[in-house]
Amino acid sequence: EVQLVESGGGLVYPGGSLRLSCVGTGFTFSSFNMNWIRQTPGKGLEWVSMINSGNYIYYADSVKGRFTISRDNAKNSVYLQMSSLRDEDTGVYYCVRDSSGYNLFDQWGQGTLVTVSS
Amino acid sequence: ENVLTQSPATLSLFPGESATLSCRASQSVRSYLAWYQQKPGRAPRLLIYDASYRATGIPARFSGSGSGTDFTLTITSLEPEDSGVYYCQQRSDSLAFGGGTKVEI
Repeated sequence: EVQLVESGGGLVYPGGSLRLSCVGTGFTFSSFNMNWIRQTPGKGLEWVSMINSGNYIYYADSVKGRFTISRDNAKNSVYLQMSSLRDEDTGVYYCVRDSSGYNLFDQWGQGTLVTVSS
Repeated sequence: ENVLTQSPATLSLFPGESATLSCRASQSVRSYLAWYQQKPGRAPRLLIYDASYRATGIPARFSGSGSGTDFTLTITSLEPEDSGVYYCQQRSDSLAFGGGTKVEI
């Protein structure tokens, strides 16, 4: 059974940092593009970042320069380092597998809540 | 930017009825349109991809149609467990999600 389990969410002050982690099991992790997608009160579902199986990286304009995605295939893990956090970054962050290699999201984690507030 | 507009915002129906949800793209997405179901407190679940193909394990009560800019998700013989918010997503021009349709059974 495919599973994606996120961790690392929490409450952080504006301008602060947080690191999210996601462990994938039940599939050949290294073969898949992995994404972070968030769900915020203001924008609904919003794609944040992707790291493909060849370690090419893409970011949404809204997080470019502030967020860093990485992966460790030996640990079946993908990470999202978030810095300079803003109120509008508040939301649930999902770790998501792309089944097609082109933005088809077939497996989602349960999500981890990030709250940016003073 | 290719914007997806979903309608109606809310749909209230009875068990056994059929639901018709619409997703309209501001520019053609060819057939690269997917539908997801999200229940309260849960992650979205892939239902339909490439406009009309059911994802693994999705009942035949769920069907998708359309191409270009106009797409429809149809759910027949509604069950209480079908309640939730349904989102469309395009992957033709970068990617984007619609704002969702809430279905109440």
